[in-house]
Amino acid sequence: EAQVTQNPRYLITVTGKKLTVTCSQNMNHEYMSWYRQDPGLGLRQIYYSMNVEVTDKGDVPEGYKVSRKEKRNFPLILESPSPNQTSLYFCASSIGAKRGMTDTQYFGPGTRLTVL
Amino acid sequence: AQSVTQPDIHITVSEGASLELRCNYSYGATPYLFWYVQSPGQGLQLLLKYFSGDTLVQGIKGFEAEFKRSQSSFNLRKPSVHWSDAAEYFCAVGLKAAGNKLTFGGGTRVLVKP
Repeated sequence: EAQVTQNPRYLITVTGKKLTVTCSQNMNHEYMSWYRQDPGLGLRQIYYSMNVEVTDKGDVPEGYKVSRKEKRNFPLILESPSPNQTSLYFCASSIGAKRGMTDTQYFGPGTRLTVL
Repeated sequence: AQSVTQPDIHITVSEGASLELRCNYSYGATPYLFWYVQSPGQGLQLLLKYFSGDTLVQGIKGFEAEFKRSQSSFNLRKPSVHWSDAAEYFCAVGLKAAGNKLTFGGGTRVLVKP
């Protein structure tokens, strides 16, 4: 089954304790992205990757890191989490943007993170 | 910078009644437009999208949306709502010049009364 998976689905942690949220897709997609969802704000892009070893900042990158060493995986790293990073996080992937196109993005189930 | 506005934060509708969710965007060029649905505890599922052509777009689950360039709107409609349509709905805009970047509206939560 074609899907985007995220782990863990739920995480409670404390301020300053490094954590990683994994994202994996089995559709051979080139493009992957991380979003955070906060009430009333919709989804905001944190980082994205156009392909392996190519990553770039989205709208709200502060406090986050990503890496793209393999095509299928795109982990989100919080080196020193803070309470304002408490949110619902979504990973998404798509085939890859052709020039002048926006592909349909497929979303994972979400990771609910609480930072105390 | 582009923006997407969903004016209604919550909408309550009776089962069997019609539903319309509003979406307005602010951007000078022609955007690509999407509607996603998020059921409780679930990820986002694509309902429909508009890239070009016919401005009335049919999607899954009986939803449709109409692109109106003059009003910068892309409203979502369903003629008869089912209890399973209770969810949060997000409008999103993609830009030709920005590859795969999506800008989302704040969402509209739909409650369905029996």
